[in-house]
Amino acid sequence: AQTVTQSQPEMSVQEAETVTLSCTYDTSENNYYLFWYKQPPSRQMILVIRQEAYKQQNATENRFSVNFQKAAKSFSLKISDSQLGDTAMYFCAFRGSGGGADGLTFGKGTHLIIQP
Amino acid sequence: DTGVSQDPRHKITKRGQNVTFRCDPISEHNRLYWYRQTLGQGPEFLTYFQNEAQLEKSRLLSDRFSAERPKGSFSTLEIQRTEQGDSAMYLCASSQPSGINEETQYFGPGTRLLVL
Repeated sequence: AQTVTQSQPEMSVQEAETVTLSCTYDTSENNYYLFWYKQPPSRQMILVIRQEAYKQQNATENRFSVNFQKAAKSFSLKISDSQLGDTAMYFCAFRGSGGGADGLTFGKGTHLIIQP
Repeated sequence: DTGVSQDPRHKITKRGQNVTFRCDPISEHNRLYWYRQTLGQGPEFLTYFQNEAQLEKSRLLSDRFSAERPKGSFSTLEIQRTEQGDSAMYLCASSQPSGINEETQYFGPGTRLLVL
């Protein structure tokens, strides 16, 4: 079974700073998908960014980018120019190549606080 | 695109009662997933439908849990004889198997269950 580990339960940075959230995973598969989701307080889970394991290029979405290290099984999220609205729980998630039946395996999350 | 919707948003029930939750996926998505999220944890995958077929149900927590998607559109999750340990957020997600956003799961707002 796959596992996803987020080793930072909570992080706090000042507005406009850059912050990196870490995520490692364990799998024996070669093809898979990785995701970062954001869950603001009392609001629904929103996709931040996704990465296909077969793609060597790191995904980017505006201020959000990932550092995908396949051999190290590492998938960190970098948030540049952080904003107050980035305050949320961030979850790293893995989906294997077994089709939808795999579901997503989530880490325990990192609570990110952006201070004004 | 109205997003994934769930009803009710909140449910309070007494131990031993049955509860049913509904999920309406994004209209063109044929894959539907149910997750449970307890406080301070990432979501935990429960079950998966492709159209009306339930292709994965071994992860349902006990035989008190069941899910249906009779016409391949909305889905229901039922918990019979609720226990206090069932108190959690129940999330629904949907995805499509092809296209630019293939395999990305989009989440609804969840149903928060409290069992007294």
